[in-house]
Amino acid sequence: EVQLVQSGAEVKKPGESLKISCKGSGYSFTSQWIVWVRQMPGKGLEWMGIIYPGDSDTRYSPSFEGQVTISVDKSISTAYLQWSSLKASDTGLYYCARQYCSGGTCYLFFDYWGQGTLVTVSS
Amino acid sequence: QSVLTQPPSVSGAPGQRVTISCTGSSSNIGAGYDVHWYQQLPGTAPKLLIYGNTNRPSGVPDRFSGSKSGTSVSLAITGLQAGDEADYYCQSYDSSLTGYVFGTGTKVTVL
Repeated sequence: EVQLVQSGAEVKKPGESLKISCKGSGYSFTSQWIVWVRQMPGKGLEWMGIIYPGDSDTRYSPSFEGQVTISVDKSISTAYLQWSSLKASDTGLYYCARQYCSGGTCYLFFDYWGQGTLVTVSS
Repeated sequence: QSVLTQPPSVSGAPGQRVTISCTGSSSNIGAGYDVHWYQQLPGTAPKLLIYGNTNRPSGVPDRFSGSKSGTSVSLAITGLQAGDEADYYCQSYDSSLTGYVFGTGTKVTVL
């Protein structure tokens, strides 16, 4: 069974750093892209960036470039999203999801999602 | 950041049919990129509902259907049920942004 399990909720102060995780299981982790999606309170879904665990190839949305860092440790099938200096505006729910790939072709949609990690940044 | 526009809300009585439109531009839907749909039930993660404009993943009831004609894309829910109350998002790829884009989201209410 394919699963993406994310780390637990975090409460941080502005200026602090944070790294949240997304562990994949039940499939070949290194051959499927992982995407990060933000959902601010009461708002819609925003694509943040995507990483290919096989070679760590990473692409960022222009809205998030320079604001976050996406990385992966393929030895433990885990992708990460990190901030070096959080702002109150980073408060939100963050999802990881898998981009569907089959037979060497990757399709432009996300078939499995993590449960989400709530990040609250408040002084 | 949303470049795909959806109606904020649609509603219908149990058993009725509702449709949700998703409007893009020449760099995404108009460029021929497929549209996919997700259902987000209250307090849960999004779930893939329709992929490749019209295809349902295994386990998704055939009450849900997607269509695309030219640059016009929509999701239809027939036989509306209370359990269909959720937010629905369309998603595509945008060549100008060189990345993925989501719709603004539509809240479906069952009257």
